Amino acid sequence: KQEVTQIPAALSVPEGENLVLNCSFTDSAIYNLQWFRQDPGKGLTSLLLIQSSQREQTSGRLNASLDKSSGRSTLYIAASQPGDSATYLCAVRGESGGSNYKLTFGKGTLLTVNP
Amino acid sequence: DVKVTQSSRYLVKRTGEKVFLECVQDMDHENMFWYRQDPGLGLRLIYFSYDVKMKEKGDIPEGYSVSREKKERFSLILESASTNQTSMYLCASSPQGASGNTIYFGEGSWLTVV
Repeated sequence: KQEVTQIPAALSVPEGENLVLNCSFTDSAIYNLQWFRQDPGKGLTSLLLIQSSQREQTSGRLNASLDKSSGRSTLYIAASQPGDSATYLCAVRGESGGSNYKLTFGKGTLLTVNP
Repeated sequence: DVKVTQSSRYLVKRTGEKVFLECVQDMDHENMFWYRQDPGLGLRLIYFSYDVKMKEKGDIPEGYSVSREKKERFSLILESASTNQTSMYLCASSPQGASGNTIYFGEGSWLTVV
């Protein structure tokens, strides 16, 4: 059974700092990995999706990397801002075949960026 | 923009009541999902559907059922609500297909069972 772990569970940084969030998964047979952002009391918003054949994806100040063989992904946030404060979750889709699209989520990292 | 709408944001129900949580998506997606999110446990999949009238159990289906009579609508039903079903419920949808498709979430429904 796939398990996804995110470290750290919480992180507090001053504004402007670059930071890295970590995600690891136990079964390397994945189709893709996604990073999501969740604001308090809200749903999830997809930030980046990395295919299993890719090594990284970038969107603005965000860069996500994937090392499938070691079961690891990182989300790099450059020049952090208070508006980046949120919970960040990673999720993997396993190679279960068919048209199903089941994700296994980590429990998230709560990021606070202090002005 | 894809929109996944959960009709009820906040509900308070009594133990034993039948509860319906409704979800509608406007992008003609084949796949729809119901998750619940609890502190310390993360998101857990309750049920999903990959086509009209088709459904599959997720990781925690006990105490829940679902209905998908139309492609755009996926309902979660609590036949007899219990206090341990107090949680945030998230609906999501995605297009059919393999690795390239992202998933879109609604804003969530906070259910309190008293």
